[in-house]
Amino acid sequence: GNSVTQMEGPVTLSEEAFLTINCTYTATGYPSLFWYVQYPGEGLQLLLKATKADDKGSNKGFEATYRKETTSFHLEKGSVQVSDSAVYFCALISGGGADGLTFGKGTHLIIQP
Amino acid sequence: EAGVVQSPRYKIIEKKQPVAFWCNPISGHNTLYWYLQNLGQGPELLIRYENEEAVDDSQLPKDRFSAERLKGVDSTLKIQPAELGDSAVYLCASSLGVGGGGETQYFGPGTRLLVL
Repeated sequence: GNSVTQMEGPVTLSEEAFLTINCTYTATGYPSLFWYVQYPGEGLQLLLKATKADDKGSNKGFEATYRKETTSFHLEKGSVQVSDSAVYFCALISGGGADGLTFGKGTHLIIQP
Repeated sequence: EAGVVQSPRYKIIEKKQPVAFWCNPISGHNTLYWYLQNLGQGPELLIRYENEEAVDDSQLPKDRFSAERLKGVDSTLKIQPAELGDSAVYLCASSLGVGGGGETQYFGPGTRLLVL
């Protein structure tokens, strides 16, 4: 079956530091890959996505590249801000576009000023 | 544009009592999902609707959980009777349902259930 593995948290960084959150997956077929973010007290929001190999998703300074050869979709940001503190979820859909998402366990990111 | 609406936001009940959650998806979205999120975990799919038809309910514990989506718009998820282990956040999401890869799902704020 499908599965997503993320690095364990919490991850604590200082403001303006470089961020990487690792995500690897196993899936049947050719999945679409997503990063969702959950800010304190809010619902899940789509951060970025990529639908085929070598695609790069980007939003709000965050980037992730769909690497089929390493089955990875690592999230990166060059300079984090305190406002980036949240829980980040890597997820995938395999097969049809309207299937349910398979999520990782989430990575809690804490940015200190 | 209004997002996915869920109610109630919080619910506290005693075990063996029934409970129901309501979801109103984004207007025009044909596909509706219910997910369960346990503390410290990612959401897990319970059921997916295409319009009013449940097309994937393989993860729904049918002995105590039920769901409906009458008229293909609003949906209700029910637990009867609730157990202590049902304490979690219940998320509703919707998408256009036009097919193709990578369709975005939009999530509501969730209902946080505590069973005592």
